[in-house]
Amino acid sequence: DQQVKQNSPSLSVQEGRISILNCDYTNSMFDYFLWYKKYPAEGPTFLISISSIKDKNEDGRFTVFLNKSAKHLSLHIVPSQPGDSAVYFCAARSASNTGKLIFGQGTTLQVKP
Amino acid sequence: DTAVSQTPKYLVTQMGNDKSIKCEQNLGHDTMYWYKQDSKKFLKIMFSYNNKELIINETVPNRFSPKSPDKAHLNLHINSLELGDSAVYFCASSNGRTDTQYFGPGTRLTVL
Repeated sequence: DQQVKQNSPSLSVQEGRISILNCDYTNSMFDYFLWYKKYPAEGPTFLISISSIKDKNEDGRFTVFLNKSAKHLSLHIVPSQPGDSAVYFCAARSASNTGKLIFGQGTTLQVKP
Repeated sequence: DTAVSQTPKYLVTQMGNDKSIKCEQNLGHDTMYWYKQDSKKFLKIMFSYNNKELIINETVPNRFSPKSPDKAHLNLHINSLELGDSAVYFCASSNGRTDTQYFGPGTRLTVL
């Protein structure tokens, strides 16, 4: 029962271009969404988040868009840099107040110089 | 300064053994978690403690037992290790149940 899905296992973009990573979810009880970035042999690091009451959140080069009706969110990175090459995980949290995060399986982003 | 640390980083052991993984956070957080990343790369919550109280206990074999001696530590003890326990285990912490979770570097467990 995969409640959070990242259907693209990998993405390759040229440096300076836009990277768009997608995530779909099935549970309408999710009220908060996060993106984590993970380098090899390290733990995931928090990147950006969005509450379900918003449709966009921006932080520097990173913007997350939420489309609740489509149960879809995306992460835009503009401009992409080689240091952005990593695995990106989408995560969702329900309103149950336990803090439980449901993760997607990740998308490996490669930014080519 | 490492915010969330785990020891050991790598653990190779035989089936049937008992092992422990330790986690410590110096962020002053009151909530800690254990996640398992399996071979398909999914990160799945196993346990969570808030102020030393167990608040999340997913469907995990009872061979797995978390122990929180204080708010800064959450250890994971695994009895009678099986091949399927091979995975990367991540510890995380947050300030409260709904704040951002910060992850440790992971412990790669290999059961032979």
